[in-house]
Amino acid sequence: AQKITQTQPGMFVQEKEAVTLDCTYDTSDQSYGLFWYKQPSSGEMIFLIYQGSYDEQNATEGRYSLNFQKARKSANLVISASQLGDSAMYFCAMRSPGRGSQGNLIFGKGTKLSVKP
Amino acid sequence: NAGVTQTPKFRVLKTGQSMTLLCAQDMNHEYMYWYRQDPGMGLRLIHYSVGEGTTAKGEVPDGYNVSRLKKQNFLLGLESAAPSQTSVYFCASSYSLVGVAGTNNEQFFGPGTRLTVL
Repeated sequence: AQKITQTQPGMFVQEKEAVTLDCTYDTSDQSYGLFWYKQPSSGEMIFLIYQGSYDEQNATEGRYSLNFQKARKSANLVISASQLGDSAMYFCAMRSPGRGSQGNLIFGKGTKLSVKP
Repeated sequence: NAGVTQTPKFRVLKTGQSMTLLCAQDMNHEYMYWYRQDPGMGLRLIHYSVGEGTTAKGEVPDGYNVSRLKKQNFLLGLESAAPSQTSVYFCASSYSLVGVAGTNNEQFFGPGTRLTVL
C-alpha cells in the first residue's frame, strides 16, 4: 500500500536559517510524483514543489528544494533562509499514475513549522 | 481565471440535516477530487471523478454522495449529517492523470469549506 510518513509533528527554526522537513514514502510503483504543499493558518493549500520519480536532478523552486533520495525512498523539503511567513503546516504527498490509480494524492500527516524572529 | 472555488466557506448543520457543497473549476480539468482534512490525519480522499458524468469512491466515501453533471462542477452531498463529518472539505482538480510530458500534474485546491455538525 502507498504511504507517506512525516515523522516531525512540529519544528522550530530561527529566522534566516535553513530547515529540513522529513518525508519518507512507500510505493511499489516505478513511476510516481512527490509533492510538497504549504498550509498557512488561513487554511488554503499552496503548492510548493514537485519531484518526478524519473527526474535525475533534485527539484528547486526559489528558496525551496527537494532532497530526493530514491533508494532510501525519502523526499525531504529544504527551506533556505527561513522567513516569518514560512510558519505553517507542510504536507508531503505522493501521486502514482499506475494502473488502477485514482490519481489522487496520498498525504502525510504534516509538519508544523514555526519560524522564530 | 478563478481557479478552483468552493461554496460555501463555512456551514453549521444539525445532526440529520442534509447539504450540498459545490466545487467549480475554470481550468477545463478532467480530474476532480473531494478530500476531507481532520486534525492529525492529513487529507483523505472521499470521492473523485475522472470526467463529466463519472464518479468513484475514494478512501472514506461513507455518508457522502457526489455528482459531476458538468465538467466544471463537482458536487459533494451529505444526506444525513453526523458529528463525525465535522471537518474541513477541500476540492481539487487536475488536468489529467498522466499529464503532458514535462508537467507536474499539479492538483489545484480550492480554499476549503469548514463544516461543523452539531
